[in-house]
Amino acid sequence: DTEVTQTPKHLVMGMTNKKSLKCEQHMGHRAMYWYKQKAKKPPELMFVYSYEKLSINESVPSRFSPECPNSSLLNLHLHALQPEDSALYLCASSQDGVAIQETQYFGPGTRLLVL
Amino acid sequence: LAKTTQPISMDSYEGQEVNITCSHNNIATNDYITWYQQFPSQGPRFIIQGYKTKVTNEVASLFIPADRKSSTLSLPRVSLSDTAVYYCLVGDGDNSGATNKLIFGTGTLLAVQP
Repeated sequence: DTEVTQTPKHLVMGMTNKKSLKCEQHMGHRAMYWYKQKAKKPPELMFVYSYEKLSINESVPSRFSPECPNSSLLNLHLHALQPEDSALYLCASSQDGVAIQETQYFGPGTRLLVL
Repeated sequence: LAKTTQPISMDSYEGQEVNITCSHNNIATNDYITWYQQFPSQGPRFIIQGYKTKVTNEVASLFIPADRKSSTLSLPRVSLSDTAVYYCLVGDGDNSGATNKLIFGTGTLLAVQP
């Protein structure tokens, strides 16, 4: 199984809502990533978990809160988002760490719209 | 941060060879160069990876000059289904830590015509 799954596929939320994005992989990978991608732009790295510990936070606002309950799951909790946070949120995983040598496997993304 | 730039778009016809170049003037010395393909509303998909010289797999070739400040993805005979955005991914050489910041290139939209 070389698939990374993400739910939901689409999400519309108000600025006062609390929601969560979910990501799952069963490849035995120990590194998992969250990216944000705006239209016609490259993905931007937000967070990296390595061996279930947060290893990289790219100065992301606290209204985004990641969580890694176990090695197969990655969540992104959303609270008090702004309209400019509307984007495609991508999850990825890789074998062991963050080194550029590793191939990342991406999920299909969650399309988020903040009203 | 390193600047990783690519042409915004390229046009081609079916059966032609396409070469897409990525300029990464401050690539980390110990990092590989990776290329990904992305279709609309999907996550990027790995194409090929290399460190120096030339690498070839079943779908593409990757050419990297000795100074590693650029790389060229070569798609040998494109088809309509190769229409997508192509990104290079490198490590940022400005980061002195053990883990270099991952920088996606600006992306190239390849449009293949019949």
